[in-house]
Order: sequence, then structure tokens, then C-alpha cells
Amino acid sequence: QLLLTQSPSASTSLGASVRLTCTLSSGHSSYAIAWHQQQSQRGPRFLMKISSDGNYTKGDGIPDRFSGSSSGAARYLTISGLQSEDEADYYCQTWGTGIHVIFGEGTKLTVL
Amino acid sequence: QVHLVESGGGVVRPGRPLRLSCTASGFTFSHFGMHWVRQTPGKGLEWVAFISFDGNNKYYSDSVKGRFSISRDNSKNTLYVQMDSLRVDDTAIYLCAKDRGEPGTSPLSYIDYWGQGTPVTVSS
Repeated sequence: QLLLTQSPSASTSLGASVRLTCTLSSGHSSYAIAWHQQQSQRGPRFLMKISSDGNYTKGDGIPDRFSGSSSGAARYLTISGLQSEDEADYYCQTWGTGIHVIFGEGTKLTVL
Repeated sequence: QVHLVESGGGVVRPGRPLRLSCTASGFTFSHFGMHWVRQTPGKGLEWVAFISFDGNNKYYSDSVKGRFSISRDNSKNTLYVQMDSLRVDDTAIYLCAKDRGEPGTSPLSYIDYWGQGTPVTVSS
């Protein structure tokens, strides 16, 4: 069964960098994922798609300080130069024939 | 600029039906698949349903299969979900979302645009 695992929470200081992780379950390390950001009381926003080879494609208007990478079954979202508006919930998503669409449980990022 | 605006949410008794709509603009609606996703207050995202660009392929989560029906009217740039036999645990904010798949193809892909959502409360 394909599952996406995310840490429930993360916290980092203003101006620092943070790397969030989304891990695909065993046997599914070839899947691409997408990262979505959801600020408080708002609809989600697509950030980027990350392939298994680490290539990533960002959504419209996503700042350069957001980047992505991959290693094995892990897919990473790195945010550099953290700003207060980066405080949000971050969800990863995968998709495929038969599995349709799966979301991770989300990581709540706090900017200190 | 892509805009997705949901409507039709409200309070409904268990067992009753409700239909949600999502009006799309800023892209060629008839070229892309669309999703419904829901979010329970304070909790995560749960995928509900997908419909291909032409309406010929529809997929549902196990939790709504047989009760919900997704449809679209490409002449009106509008996505729908008909929700029948509603249960208390269907209470959520319902979001429509655009699929990023290749235009004019059926397989679903990742979501690249989201609406703000419409709330549905199922309560006696």
C-alpha cells in the first residue's frame, strides 16, 4: 500500500532554512510527488512537483527560495531565508493508476 | 490567472443530498481533468473524486464511492459533485482543484491550482 509519511511539525527561525521531508512507502520510491502549501484559513497552493531523479517544476509565482530534491524514497522541500508568511501547513501528494491521489498528513511549519 | 470558485455548501441533515459547484476561469476548462478534495476542520486533505477532461473517466475514493457523483459541464466551465446519502463524517470543507495532466488526456496527475473551498456540515 502506497503511503506518504511527513513529520507532524517543524520549527525554524526567521531568515533560516528548513528542509521538509515526504517519504514514500517501501516499494514506491519511483513515484513523483507534489508539494502544496496551506496558510491559515486559506486554500492550498501548489508549490512544485518533484520527480524521483530530483528534478522539480515549480508553480506559477513560487519564489526562488523554494526548491526541491530527492534521495531514494524521500522527497524534500527546502525553504531558504524563511519569512513569516512561510508559516503554514505543507502537504505532499502523489498519484497514479489505481491509487488515484494520496496526500501525506501534512507538516505544520512554525517560523520562530 | 486561474480561478476556481466553489459554491453550494451549507448545513444538511444526515441522509439528505447536496450538490456543490465549482466555476473555473483563466484556463481552457475543457482541456483538463478536475478533482474534488475535502478537508475536515483542523485536519488534513482527503482526495474525493476525479473527472477527466471529457467526463468519460471518473474515479472516487472508497469513502464516497456509490454515494457521490462527479460531473462537469464544459460549456459552462463548471464542475459539480452530487453528494447523496450524506453522513456526519462527510462534514468538511470541499475544495475543487485543477489537474496538471497533459491537455486532452485522461490519466490523472498532480494538482496545480486550488479553490478556496465551500463548507458542508452534516448534522441532525
